[in-house]
Amino acid sequence: SQKIEQNSEALNIQEGKTATLTCNYTNYSPAYLQWYRQDPGRGPVFLLLIRENEKEKRKERLKVTFDTTLKQSLFHITASQPADSATYLCALSDTGRRALTFGSGTRLQVQP
Amino acid sequence: GAGVSQSPSNKVTEKGKDVELRCDPISGHTALYWYRQRLGQGLEFLIYFQGNSAPDKSGLPSDRFSAERTGESVSTLTIQRTQQEDSAVYLCASSLGASRETQYFGPGTRLLVL
Repeated sequence: SQKIEQNSEALNIQEGKTATLTCNYTNYSPAYLQWYRQDPGRGPVFLLLIRENEKEKRKERLKVTFDTTLKQSLFHITASQPADSATYLCALSDTGRRALTFGSGTRLQVQP
Repeated sequence: GAGVSQSPSNKVTEKGKDVELRCDPISGHTALYWYRQRLGQGLEFLIYFQGNSAPDKSGLPSDRFSAERTGESVSTLTIQRTQQEDSAVYLCASSLGASRETQYFGPGTRLLVL
């Protein structure tokens, strides 16, 4: 069966450190993968998109990698800040399917 | 410009009643999506509209759920004979074109069925 897995346990890190979140998938052939941020009581906000032929994408303090062999994406936040505390969702678009499928998200808590 | 808006922001209803949720997408966005998010869970796809094409209803959980969209504007999600398990946040998103584009989400409607 198809699955998108993100660590359901919260990730707690110290301010200034690099946060790394993982998204693993099975039985998908994604054309691309996206990462979203969700704050409590709000809708998700788009952060980054990486295509299947791209290995890495960067935006300011954010970096995403995409390994289609391992079926995994890693999401990094460098020099993390307490304001980065939120739930981060990965979402992918399966070939031939028109809508995104979301993982359940990982909550990140950055301690000052 | 304005983002995706949804109304009402909160809705409390009694089991068995019908509810109607509204979504106003970003102007010019041809694609519109509805998702459901239960407490502490991820987003569950419900339905997708793209222009004048037939909607993708593959995520609707039962025939009590239906949605309509007028052209490329407002959409309404209707839940008939609500059940307690329908309690969730219902999120609407829109995107510029085909489904693979970045999605812009509204704030959601929090539905509580008593």
